[in-house]
Amino acid sequence: EPEVTQTPSHQVTQMGQEVILRCVPISNHLYFYWYRQILGQKVEFLVSFYNNEISEKSEIFDDQFSVERPDGSNFTLKIRSTKLEDSAMYFCASTPPEITDTQYFGPGTRLTVL
Amino acid sequence: KNEVEQSPQNLTAQEGEFITINCSYSVGISALHWLQQHPGGGIVSLFMLSSGKKKHGRLIATINIQEKHSSLHITASHPRDSAVYICAVPANFGNEKLTFGTGTRLTIIP
Repeated sequence: EPEVTQTPSHQVTQMGQEVILRCVPISNHLYFYWYRQILGQKVEFLVSFYNNEISEKSEIFDDQFSVERPDGSNFTLKIRSTKLEDSAMYFCASTPPEITDTQYFGPGTRLTVL
Repeated sequence: KNEVEQSPQNLTAQEGEFITINCSYSVGISALHWLQQHPGGGIVSLFMLSSGKKKHGRLIATINIQEKHSSLHITASHPRDSAVYICAVPANFGNEKLTFGTGTRLTIIP
C-alpha cells in the first residue's frame, strides 16, 4: 500500500542552523500539510500546500519557515535559523484528489535543536 | 474554530478489557479522524468517519454528528494496543487542516 515517507527520522542540529525536512507524499495526492508536535503537547497545524503554493498557514509558520515542492515527488519544510523551541516531531500529510477529508500521515521527523 | 476534547487523558486497563475513548468537538464537521501514536512518535491513521460506525479488527469507531461526539472502542485489549490515541477534526467545516485533541494515553497491562 502506498505510504507517505519522511527523512530523516531524527535530525539533531545546533541553534541557528538551517534544517530541511523532507517528505515524499503519495504519488497522486494533491494537498500537502506539515504539522508539528512539541514533546508532551498536542499536534499543531503548520501549513497546507496546494497547486504549488501555500493555501493556509498558522501563526507558528513565521518567516523562519518555508515550504517547497522542488520536483514532482518531494515536499520540504525548511527552517532557516533554528531555535531551541523548534525541537519537536514534524509530520507531513497528504490528501488524495478525490477524498479531500482524508489525510495520510508520514512517520515523522524528530528535530532536536541544541 | 473547532475545539476538541478527549477523555480520559490516561487509561490503564488489564489485558482483555473493553476500552472506550471519547472525543467531543464544538463545530460541525465533514469527517473525524482517529489516529494512533506509537511510543516512538509515529502517527498511524486508524479511522476517518463521517457518520455511523466503522470497524477494523478489534477497533470500532462511532460518531454522532448531532451530538458532536465520537468514541473509539477496543475489544479484547492487548498490551500491543498501548499507545496514545488522538482524535482530530477539521478546524472548520469544509477546511481540511486538522485540529487535534490532546490524546489519550492507553496502557494495557498483561
